[in-house]
Amino acid sequence: GAGVSQTPSNKVTEKGKYVELRCDPISGHTALYWYRQSLGQGPEFLIYFQGTGAADDSGLPNDRFFAVRPEGSVSTLKIQRTERGDSAVYLCASSNHHRDSATEAFFGQGTRLTVV
Amino acid sequence: AQSVTQLGSHVSVSEGALVLLRCNYSSSVPPYLFWYVQYPNQGLQLLLKYTTGATLVKGINGFEAEFKKSETSFHLTKPSAHMSDAAEYFCAVSDRSGGFKTIFGAGTRLFVKA
Repeated sequence: GAGVSQTPSNKVTEKGKYVELRCDPISGHTALYWYRQSLGQGPEFLIYFQGTGAADDSGLPNDRFFAVRPEGSVSTLKIQRTERGDSAVYLCASSNHHRDSATEAFFGQGTRLTVV
Repeated sequence: AQSVTQLGSHVSVSEGALVLLRCNYSSSVPPYLFWYVQYPNQGLQLLLKYTTGATLVKGINGFEAEFKKSETSFHLTKPSAHMSDAAEYFCAVSDRSGGFKTIFGAGTRLFVKA
């Protein structure tokens, strides 16, 4: 597609439920990032993929959060046993950089997750 | 560890006035620096970036920023504000020595008064 696509755009779930958030990056982009943006805050880094592997998952807050990118394209962020504090906008971005080159990351519109 | 501090969560200017949004960073290695803008109900969009070379960087919509290593700053400016500049602005830093994790500041909301 023309840009980074995230689905769903909005998700309301009950506390304790499992959710999956999907990200379709720009075709051909090798790098994919997940961020979480709470109200009034900047995006908070969660995880970064280079190809199929998670190059840096140091931002995942706990073991309830997991992300995959099995074929090096689409990625799914999975949250188990959701808590009200997980409510935020989850942003996905992709880029096609190489080491030593800071190319632009393109962001999707985000998925607004509300845990009630 | 890297970090970004944006001074002022809200900035208000009159149309036609100078825009100055402040950003200071902390990085143990030479950084990549970015400014992103987020318009209401839209995704983040890159305004400009500093990688190497010229320390004064020009971006879209008339914005520019200057990398000052001695001050660890990367302030964003625009000579004359337009109403359409009203948005949230984020300064960000990325570690060029290893992975490409980008750390964002908390953001500054710019208001432009007629």
